[in-house]
Amino acid sequence: DTGVSQDPRHKITKRGQNVTFRCDPISEHNRLYWYRQTLGQGPEFLTYFQNEAQLEKSRLLSDRFSAERPKGSFSTLEIQRTEQGDSAMYLCASSLGFGTSVQETQYFGPGTRLLVL
Amino acid sequence: DQQVKQNSPSLSVQEGRISILNCDYTNSMFDYFLWYKKYPAEGPTFLISISSIKDKNEDGRFTVFLNKSAKHLSLHIVPSQPGDSAVYFCAASAGLNSGNTPLVFGKGTRLSVIA
Repeated sequence: DTGVSQDPRHKITKRGQNVTFRCDPISEHNRLYWYRQTLGQGPEFLTYFQNEAQLEKSRLLSDRFSAERPKGSFSTLEIQRTEQGDSAMYLCASSLGFGTSVQETQYFGPGTRLLVL
Repeated sequence: DQQVKQNSPSLSVQEGRISILNCDYTNSMFDYFLWYKKYPAEGPTFLISISSIKDKNEDGRFTVFLNKSAKHLSLHIVPSQPGDSAVYFCAASAGLNSGNTPLVFGKGTRLSVIA
């Protein structure tokens, strides 16, 4: 078990460009979460998947953001037409949830740091 | 409106002494609480958790206390070690009450353990 991995670790882009991040969860985990963290703040929830179904999206997830988890394994987060305000650390987490048991622990990856110039 | 609050941005403790990090929450639907530790340029690392049916959970040097009536939890680290120096985040979820699994985080407390 290698834990949650994210790629790339760092991304610098120009305003208006599209970027895509990848997250590979812990292999047997069925739930996958995306969070965003800005300086001086705690992580803020963006969206989450149970297997391949996207079950919830935060108000923070504008129309320029889209996330997929096509086969219930890895996930991608795409930001279109990036803005300077998108600069942040994007964190992925995964967990193993059973049915209505929702008190599961989420394990985080190392994050992708995005800088929009 | 912040649902999880960590009112102390920073804390300094002498090596070997106890570190106490505090967290308050406002949402009575929260029923599962976690502490994460974060080093710069890394993701949060899970430390310890507690369910709302308990008031204490212990794991080695780390103990979490939950006071539901006060909507307050604390993390005790004893003895503190220089390697404990990091930012500590308190997080909460309302899983059993609403099926809502995403975590709500506080802003973090930076702990410095001085040798």
